[in-house]
Amino acid sequence: QKEVEQNSGPLSVPEGAIASLNCTYSDRGSQSFFWYRQYSGKSPELIMFIYSNGDKEDGRFTAQLNKASQYVSLLIRDSQPSDSATYLCAVNMNRDDKIIFGKGTRLHILP
Amino acid sequence: ETGVTQTPRHLVMGMTNKKSLKCEQHLGHNAMYWYKQSAKKPLELMFVYNFKEQTENNSVPSRFSPECPNSSHLFLHLHTLQPEDSALYLCASSQGQGASNQPQHFGDGTRLSIL
Repeated sequence: QKEVEQNSGPLSVPEGAIASLNCTYSDRGSQSFFWYRQYSGKSPELIMFIYSNGDKEDGRFTAQLNKASQYVSLLIRDSQPSDSATYLCAVNMNRDDKIIFGKGTRLHILP
Repeated sequence: ETGVTQTPRHLVMGMTNKKSLKCEQHLGHNAMYWYKQSAKKPLELMFVYNFKEQTENNSVPSRFSPECPNSSHLFLHLHTLQPEDSALYLCASSQGQGASNQPQHFGDGTRLSIL
């Protein structure tokens, strides 16, 4: 199993709907989870991060953790065309103190 | 303005050239990173410096040579690169303490093309 896995997409979501992005991880001891947004030709931009002690909501974005099933989700409410980008999930690997990135999910918001 | 500045933004070089990439962070962080991003591949961690000490060398070929003179500056020296080294090279920084639990902030990257 890869350490951090994401569906590469593209995930197409109508404007105004909820976009749901998922990321699974292999290290049961992982404690920190990060979501980055990367527009084409640009560098990754941190959107949210959560620790293993709970979910977080920030504006239209919500990050949720399911420790039992070892996945983390990013929900984007009221999706806008400007949300169209690749979303990278990153997870700390507790066993060797590294952050590992997934390949990213391409999100396309349909106007 | 991301707080992490990389220069140059674009670089084209021949396989026999020597060049350097520069990264500077203005965030007061103590950990700095070099990543390689190729098309359709995940971000590949290359090097990590924590409080100026190299703590990670992810089996990177010796034609890539990092240098970290202080916590704010990071260089990547390049020599005799191969065409497969063409990629986006990203620098990032984070708080040094418990670095793997800290969010990383990325620069805009250097787009490198090897002829």
